[in-house]
Amino acid sequence: KAGVTQTPRYLIKTRGQQVTLSCSPISGHRSVSWYQQTPGQGLQFLFEYFSETQRNKGNFPGRFSGRQFSNSRSEMNVSTLELGDSALYLCASHYAAGGPDTQYFGPGTRLTVL
Amino acid sequence: AQKVTQAQTEISVVEKEDVTLDCVYETRDTTYYLFWYKQPPSGELVFLIRRNSFDEQNEISGRYSWNFQKSTSSFNFTITASQVVDSAVYFCALSLYGGATNKLIFGTGTLLAVQP
Repeated sequence: KAGVTQTPRYLIKTRGQQVTLSCSPISGHRSVSWYQQTPGQGLQFLFEYFSETQRNKGNFPGRFSGRQFSNSRSEMNVSTLELGDSALYLCASHYAAGGPDTQYFGPGTRLTVL
Repeated sequence: AQKVTQAQTEISVVEKEDVTLDCVYETRDTTYYLFWYKQPPSGELVFLIRRNSFDEQNEISGRYSWNFQKSTSSFNFTITASQVVDSAVYFCALSLYGGATNKLIFGTGTLLAVQP
C-alpha cells in the first residue's frame, strides 16, 4: 500500500504571499490531520479533517485553513505568509475520526518564507 | 491540560550500547493512548508503537522495548544493542480517547546519536 504523499516537498515563498500544500492519505483512510514542526515550538497540531469536515482545530490564526475533498485528499492554505511560518508541515493519515487511530505521517513539506 | 515531557534533549551512545529514552505524560483522563515515533533526517515521522491506558504490559519488538507505568505516568523506550541506523529524533505522544478527535500531543523529542 502506498504511504502518505505530500506535495510539494520544498517551497520557498516571500512574506505576504500565500501557499497551498497538498496531502494524499493512505488508500482507505478517511481522516487527515496536519501538524506544524518548528525548532522553537516543536510539533503542533493544526487541524483534522474527516469526511470533508473539519473535526478539530489547533491554536493557529485564521490565516491557516484547510479542506478535504471527497476522495479524502486534503489541502492546507496559509495566507499572508510571515517569516514565522517557515516550518516543516506534516500531514498524517488515519482510518477514521475519533478514538485511538494510529496516524501515519507523510514526508512533509518544508516551507521557507523569506 | 495534557502534556508530554521528554527531558532528554540529546543522547549520544556508542554502537551496541543500550539506551533508554524517557517519556513522562500528564493527563486527567482515564482513557488515553501513548505513542512513540521516530523521525530520521529525512523528516518523515515513523510510527513505532501505540499503547492504551488499560494495557500496562511491557512490549518487546526486536531490539525495541517499551515500559509503561501508570503509577509514574511514564512510557519509556529502550533500544538494546543500538545501531547507527537508530540515529534519529524520537518523539513520545499522547492522544485522548473519545470525542471526534485524533489530536496528538507531542513531547519535544530526544535526539539520539549512535556513534560507530
